[in-house]
Amino acid sequence: AQSVAQPEDQVNVAEGNPLTVKCTYSVSGNPYLFWYVQYPNRGLQFLLKYITGDNLVKGSYGFEAEFNKSQTSFHLKKPSALVSDSALYFCAVRDIWSGGYQKVTFGIGTKLQVIP
Amino acid sequence: ETGVTQTPRHLVMGMTNKKSLKCEQHLGHNAMYWYKQSAKKPLELMFVYSLEERVENNSVPSRFSPECPNSSHLFLHLHTLQPEDSALYLCASSQGTGGPNTGELFFGEGSRLTVL
Repeated sequence: AQSVAQPEDQVNVAEGNPLTVKCTYSVSGNPYLFWYVQYPNRGLQFLLKYITGDNLVKGSYGFEAEFNKSQTSFHLKKPSALVSDSALYFCAVRDIWSGGYQKVTFGIGTKLQVIP
Repeated sequence: ETGVTQTPRHLVMGMTNKKSLKCEQHLGHNAMYWYKQSAKKPLELMFVYSLEERVENNSVPSRFSPECPNSSHLFLHLHTLQPEDSALYLCASSQGTGGPNTGELFFGEGSRLTVL
């Protein structure tokens, strides 16, 4: 069965500093990997994904993620954090194409707090 | 109107009430999902409909009853709920095979349910 682990409940970073939110995954085949963000009282928004190709994926709002197959990791990064980046971040994996829908497994989420 | 719309945004109900959550997607997708989000837990996939046919039902109690009358609308009928069912219920949609949005889920803003 596929799974995702986000080892940190919360990450605190000063505004302007680089940030990293960690994610490791476990799948039986080739993974599709995703990051989603959730602002307070809102639904989840897609940030970026890795399917194949370049291991460094760029997404919305200046975020990027690095796929590392040997370490089964897909960490989210941003060179310079903004206070507005404070939110809940979810890593997700899909390794099964289930006949027309996305069988996606989400992590527990990591709360990012950017301190002014 | 675009995207995925959920109503109501907030719902308070007693354990003996019957209510429904509604989801509508304006993206032309052919799969729709209900997720349950509780604090400190991964998102729980409850139901999936693909081409209006239920394809996934993850051991959800019968007090939750989904309905998908067409590819744009999804309902979650609620009756005799328990206080532990209080959570944020998220609707999502996705397109079928291939395309630039492969693997992505598009979420609504959620319905915050409180069971007294």
